[in-house]
Amino acid sequence: GQNIDQPTEMTATEGAIVQINCTYQTSGFNGLFWYQQHAGEAPTFLSYNVLDGLEEKGRFSSFLSRSKGYSYLLLKELQMKDSASYLCAVRDSNYQLIWGAGTKLIIKP
Amino acid sequence: IAGITQAPTSQILAAGRRMTLRCTQDMRHNAMYWYRQDLGLGLRLIHYSNTAGTTGKGEVPDGYSVSRANTDDFPLTLASAVPSQTSVYFCASSGGVGTGELFFGEGSRLTVL
Repeated sequence: GQNIDQPTEMTATEGAIVQINCTYQTSGFNGLFWYQQHAGEAPTFLSYNVLDGLEEKGRFSSFLSRSKGYSYLLLKELQMKDSASYLCAVRDSNYQLIWGAGTKLIIKP
Repeated sequence: IAGITQAPTSQILAAGRRMTLRCTQDMRHNAMYWYRQDLGLGLRLIHYSNTAGTTGKGEVPDGYSVSRANTDDFPLTLASAVPSQTSVYFCASSGGVGTGELFFGEGSRLTVL
């Protein structure tokens, strides 16, 4: 079966750095996505990785290792507004998105 | 309208009633999707449409139907609602199979009693 694992909840301090991991087992691979979802709101796109390596976008970076079935989202200089759930999703060989359950990130002052 | 609009934003419904969730986009995207989101679970695909006039079943299609008469609209119908369909429903669109970014509506919170 297809499976995406990510931690249920993480806590970090304002101004710090946090890394959210995602491991996947899917039927084929056509890209990995990270979305941010604030409580009661819709998910919004953060990043996309299809080749191995690091993609940097401002305070957010996303890393992919296809051989290990592994990705992480790195958030730097954490701000209170970064408190949200972070969803990892993999596009499989049928171009369907398989979603993880999300990681709830709590930022403390 | 800018992006994707869903209606209603919230609804309480008696079991056995018929309900249609509306979704309209103005981005001229070919692909549209309906997901449900339940606590502790990832987004689960209900139905999708790659282009106007075509639809397909997702992971959890039972009890739901969709239509895609034109590019902009993609309504989701619950023919006879059951309590297990209590969920938050998100409509989404994308520019096509080759692009990954999904644009989501604000969601419809449905409670079936």
